[in-house]
Amino acid sequence: GAVVSQHPSWVICKSGTSVKIECRSLDFQATTMFWYRQFPKQSLMLMATSNEGSKATYEQGVEKDKFLINHASLTLSTLTVTSAHPEDSSFYICSGLLMASSGYNEQFFGPGTRLTVL
Amino acid sequence: GQSLEQPSEVTAVEGAIVQINCTYQTSGFYGLSWYQQHDGGAPTFLSYNGLDGLEETGRFSSFLSRSDSYGYLLLQELQMKDSASYFCAVRASYSGAGSYQLTFGKGTKLSVIP
Repeated sequence: GAVVSQHPSWVICKSGTSVKIECRSLDFQATTMFWYRQFPKQSLMLMATSNEGSKATYEQGVEKDKFLINHASLTLSTLTVTSAHPEDSSFYICSGLLMASSGYNEQFFGPGTRLTVL
Repeated sequence: GQSLEQPSEVTAVEGAIVQINCTYQTSGFYGLSWYQQHDGGAPTFLSYNGLDGLEETGRFSSFLSRSDSYGYLLLQELQMKDSASYFCAVRASYSGAGSYQLTFGKGTKLSVIP
């Protein structure tokens, strides 16, 4: 199956600082990547859809100036949490969309990044 | 928008069979996926139903009825390692060419007991 990695796997930062999370598709090209957030014991909530070479599409209620997404290549998307606050502490998960010529497509998830803001 | 309903918790005995139901309301529906997530881990894809009927993959089966907006995940011969959260997720249309969005249910926490 297709592999997606995330870096870092966990990060602790001080309130007011910015944190960058990388999402890479290791063995396929992902024109589209998705960013999700999951609070403890809750479901995954889609934050934004990232398309290579264009602006991300943010879901309602997600501040685009706070959660900066860059999808500069077909294998890399980054999420930067700017001016992080304790309420931003969460599990951030990305997925890459594998689209095959056969028409098959599937989202493959990264292992997640646990962010703790002190 | 999309909404999904699934039970919050289920407990079953090792070796038994358990069914986790999911009902949904959505527009632009493509199909229903199921994911497994262990505590602290990322979701792992289990199955996808784009058409009505049953899909079987080893000990796991998934069913979809589009007319009823209903699906279920069936786990057979339960093992202790199956203790995890199980999410149904609707695939729905998205403006990006060939792409889709996933909307997840709130998850069902399955506890397998000896």
